[in-house]
Amino acid sequence: DAGVIQSPRHEVTEMGQEVTLRCKPISGHNSLFWYRQTMMRGLELLIYFNNNVPIDDSGMPEDRFSAKMPNASFSTLKIQPSEPRDSAVYFCASSPGVRAANEKLFFGSGTQLSVL
Amino acid sequence: GENVEQHPSTLSVQEGDSAVIKCTYSDSASNYFPWYKQELGKRPQLIIDIRSNVGEKKDQRIAVTLNKTAKHFSLHITETQPEDSAVYFCAASSGNTPLVFGKGTRLSVIA
Repeated sequence: DAGVIQSPRHEVTEMGQEVTLRCKPISGHNSLFWYRQTMMRGLELLIYFNNNVPIDDSGMPEDRFSAKMPNASFSTLKIQPSEPRDSAVYFCASSPGVRAANEKLFFGSGTQLSVL
Repeated sequence: GENVEQHPSTLSVQEGDSAVIKCTYSDSASNYFPWYKQELGKRPQLIIDIRSNVGEKKDQRIAVTLNKTAKHFSLHITETQPEDSAVYFCAASSGNTPLVFGKGTRLSVIA
């Protein structure tokens, strides 16, 4: 298995533009998580899905952020409009079970987002 | 909700010495405590985990201890090597909530 695949690896955009981050979880995994990493705040959970259904999006910072999981093999995180303070590394992770916790997370390589 | 505090934020040790990173958590229902290692520019990867029915777990040069009464757990790395240099994250979760991570410890092993 290729692991969790994220694209793009790097994204540079201008303030106000729409940004879409993509994630393909490991085949057979039932839970998917989006995390944001910054120096100041560390790894913050934005949203997670079980069996493609969003369970908890309380970590999504604002209405500018939205996430979808149309099927078991694909998820997107969209920021519209983007702002400089959104600059961070965004990680997608998946895990085998349907419960949110108590098991290993497999992280993707991350997307380094820079909003100018 | 769960809150995880991690100390220190940075740690420098001489090669061959031991390193200890400590974390505290707030939710007494938490029962799973993993540690992730993130090398520069790479993804976090699980290195060891412990569940609440165990007080200590070892895997070669790394060990984790858990004190449920005090709600703290620690990572111990013995005989440190330059390749141990990385950012280490602790995390905690109960059965129904996702992992909450500490803010990380940047470990530098000086040769």
